[in-house]
Amino acid sequence: AQTVTQSQPEMSVQEAETVTLSCTYDTSESDYYLFWYKQPPSRQMILVIRQEAYKQQNATENRFSVNFQKAAKSFSLKISDSQLGDAAMYFCAYKVSARQLTFGSGTQLTVLP
Amino acid sequence: DAGVIQSPRHEVTEMGQEVTLRCKPISGHNSLFWYRQTMMRGLELLIYFNNNVPIDDSGMPEDRFSAKMPNASFSTLKIQPSEPRDSAVYFCASSLFPYEQYFGPGTRLTVT
Repeated sequence: AQTVTQSQPEMSVQEAETVTLSCTYDTSESDYYLFWYKQPPSRQMILVIRQEAYKQQNATENRFSVNFQKAAKSFSLKISDSQLGDAAMYFCAYKVSARQLTFGSGTQLTVLP
Repeated sequence: DAGVIQSPRHEVTEMGQEVTLRCKPISGHNSLFWYRQTMMRGLELLIYFNNNVPIDDSGMPEDRFSAKMPNASFSTLKIQPSEPRDSAVYFCASSLFPYEQYFGPGTRLTVT
């Protein structure tokens, strides 16, 4: 069975600084997708970034980028120039084909002014 | 695009009552997912549909839960009878295979 592990229940970062959230996963599949979702206090689940396993290049979306290490089964999220609006719970998720997402337990990010 | 629409946003009901949660997926998406989120168990997949057909309902807690998708633009999740332990936020999500899922705003269910 696939599992997703987020070992940092809580993280904090100073506004304008950079923070990295960790995620590891376990799978025997070779082709899959990885995602980071953000859940602010509004509870809305918002897609932050997507990475296809067959792509070697790390995905980037504005201030958000990933470090995808396929051999190590690691998928970390880097947030640059952190803003107060980045404060949220961040979930790492894994998906194979049309199957459901498998979520990690989440990392609560606090941004300090 | 309006995104995934869920109703109601909040539901408070008494134990034993029937609860129906509704979801309208994003137009053109062919997969629909129902999740439940609690503090204790995190995000759990309850059931998902591909092209309106239930594919995996192994996450449905028990027979009190049922889900239907009569057409590509509508799905319901029903709990009958409801119990206090069903209190949670229920999310509906949709996707266009094989891509990412887009979530609705969720329904916060409280069973007293």
